[in-house]
Amino acid sequence: RKEVEQDPGPFNVPEGATVAFNCTYSNSASQSFFWYRQDCRKEPKLLMSVYSSGNEDGRFTAQLNRASQYISLLIRDSKLSDSATYLCVGREYGNKLVFGAGTILRVKS
Amino acid sequence: NAGVTQTPKFQVLKTGQSMTLQCAQDMNHEYMSWYRQDPGMGLRLIHYSVGAGITDQGEVPNGYNVSRSTTEDFPLRLLSAAPSQTSVYFCASTRQGAMNTEAFFGQGTRLTVV
Repeated sequence: RKEVEQDPGPFNVPEGATVAFNCTYSNSASQSFFWYRQDCRKEPKLLMSVYSSGNEDGRFTAQLNRASQYISLLIRDSKLSDSATYLCVGREYGNKLVFGAGTILRVKS
Repeated sequence: NAGVTQTPKFQVLKTGQSMTLQCAQDMNHEYMSWYRQDPGMGLRLIHYSVGAGITDQGEVPNGYNVSRSTTEDFPLRLLSAAPSQTSVYFCASTRQGAMNTEAFFGQGTRLTVV
């Protein structure tokens, strides 16, 4: 079983839609979590950190539920430019990052 | 700002050849790491370093060597390339310590072993 599991998608949504991605992790020792965005054939870039209290950055909302070992990302009012692969990432002790395989989002006009 | 510089961007090797992927960062980050990304697998950790002179194995270290003689540089060596090492390789650096510090990635190396 992978340490971080994501629905690979693809999620095909129209512009303006709200879309939610989920992620589960198996290592309860993971200390912090992130969502990274990866455009086609490019390097991953940090989208946002994820906190238990939930956090929002513009149209993006992330949530962590440690009891259920579950992480979510909500994108409101989807834009064409949101099309990318979204990587769920856990950080273990010592800065080791564990990546999910990614969820593909395609926003269409 | 350069950030993380990774070279080459593309490489084709024949089975059995050796090569070194270069990675340099100018952010004075203590932690550097190498990942490979294969379809459907996500990024997997090959080797990492928490500072100059210190390296350790990640999840998939076989067939690769690393060294960290300076804070800035963290080269990855393929000793005898195999087709199973065809992949996209990313180098990353992170400031050590704080829980939510961002990892910065190089632009990647697309390696094909024939």
